[in-house]
Amino acid sequence: GIQVEQSPPDLILQEGANSTLRCNFSDSVNNLQWFHQNPWGQLINLFYIPSGTKQNGRLSATTVATERYSLLYISSSQTTDSGVYFCVHQGGSQGNLIFGKGTKLSVKP
Amino acid sequence: DSGVTQTPKHLITATGQRVTLRCSPRSGDLSVYWYQQSLDQGLQFLIQYYNGEERAKGNILERFSAQQFPDLHSELNLSSLELGDSALYFCASSVDVSGSYEQYFGPGTRLTVT
Repeated sequence: GIQVEQSPPDLILQEGANSTLRCNFSDSVNNLQWFHQNPWGQLINLFYIPSGTKQNGRLSATTVATERYSLLYISSSQTTDSGVYFCVHQGGSQGNLIFGKGTKLSVKP
Repeated sequence: DSGVTQTPKHLITATGQRVTLRCSPRSGDLSVYWYQQSLDQGLQFLIQYYNGEERAKGNILERFSAQQFPDLHSELNLSSLELGDSALYFCASSVDVSGSYEQYFGPGTRLTVT
């Protein structure tokens, strides 16, 4: 199957800092989504971004499908941004998602 | 709020027992996916239903089964529970099966088997 590498695996930030999370794929992927899993376990949709760039408030994402990577930018981080960020792709023909290990983000006040 | 609802939020039961987890997809979504998140296995796809029919299976144990009803809600049945079945179980929904649309996740059911 397609290998997904997310970096960094762990990230500690001071509140207000900016960060970039990266996702590399070993092959072309479909249905790429970014999720945030908060400390209470809830999975929150951030972006559906098979290609191009999208922005939503302090967050933005860019996927360069031809180069097999996606980036998630977090600006002016807040403690509520803490949790695990997953970039996820469609693994099967029926659209089920394949999750990697994610990036664990801790934002300190 | 994703629009996907799951009940119950928490479930504590003993080994050997059987439980049923319930999921209601977002309005208009025909496809329902079940995922399991455990500490050692991460988040894994279990099974998918589309408009009442099973469409795909992932790493689902034979002790587990699911169904989707005419009103499109889905139930995941877990039987002969073992300690290792303790996990967070998510339901997700999307408009169709093509993978061209986002999947939205419910809040999950946290199952603890003692």
